[in-house]
Amino acid sequence: GEDVEQSLFLSVREGDSSVINCTYTDSSSTYLYWYKQEPGAGLQLLTYIFSNMDMKQDQRLTVLLNKKDKHLSLRIADTQTGDSAIYFCVGGYSTLTFGKGTMLLVSP
Amino acid sequence: DTEVTQTPKHLVMGMTNKKSLKCEQHMGHRAMYWYKQKAKKPPELMFVYSYEKLSINESVPSRFSPECPNSSLLNLHLHALQPEDSALYLCASSQGTGAGANVLTFGAGSRLTVL
Repeated sequence: GEDVEQSLFLSVREGDSSVINCTYTDSSSTYLYWYKQEPGAGLQLLTYIFSNMDMKQDQRLTVLLNKKDKHLSLRIADTQTGDSAIYFCVGGYSTLTFGKGTMLLVSP
Repeated sequence: DTEVTQTPKHLVMGMTNKKSLKCEQHMGHRAMYWYKQKAKKPPELMFVYSYEKLSINESVPSRFSPECPNSSLLNLHLHALQPEDSALYLCASSQGTGAGANVLTFGAGSRLTVL
């Protein structure tokens, strides 16, 4: 099955860029996803990338995929305090596997 | 309607109680899921229903009993739970279970406390 690893904590200042990294093991993951979870809330799909793409940009979000190294990253430009949350990297073919989550703390 | 609605938002129950968690979606999704999430941990898959049939049970104890009365509704019946079952229970749905169709839409969760 899929194994997804990500750093557990990232602290940035408001206005800086944030980069959250993830590695995965299953090369058959057709799509890779980023979900956001705010305190006490459910999970919200932020963005996803198809495995034959290298990059996807969506407003302040940029996803980079390095298939050779099985490495995925999420860059958030101009990070705001409202971006403080836990970010989950998710992969897999039919059954999805969640990484442990990266807690992003944005300070004013 | 692009939401998954879960009720109740909070539930406190004793170890001898019987209660149910409910989940509803009207997006026409044919797959529905129950996840359990402990504090500071990722969601753990419990059950998957595909076209109203149970397709995955991740070795969940029988004190948790899922039910899918129709394609829009998913219930989780709870009986004789233990304090360690206290967690956030998340319902999700997706168009299907194949690659590309399995983008999950989550509800806000039901926070369960077992005394």
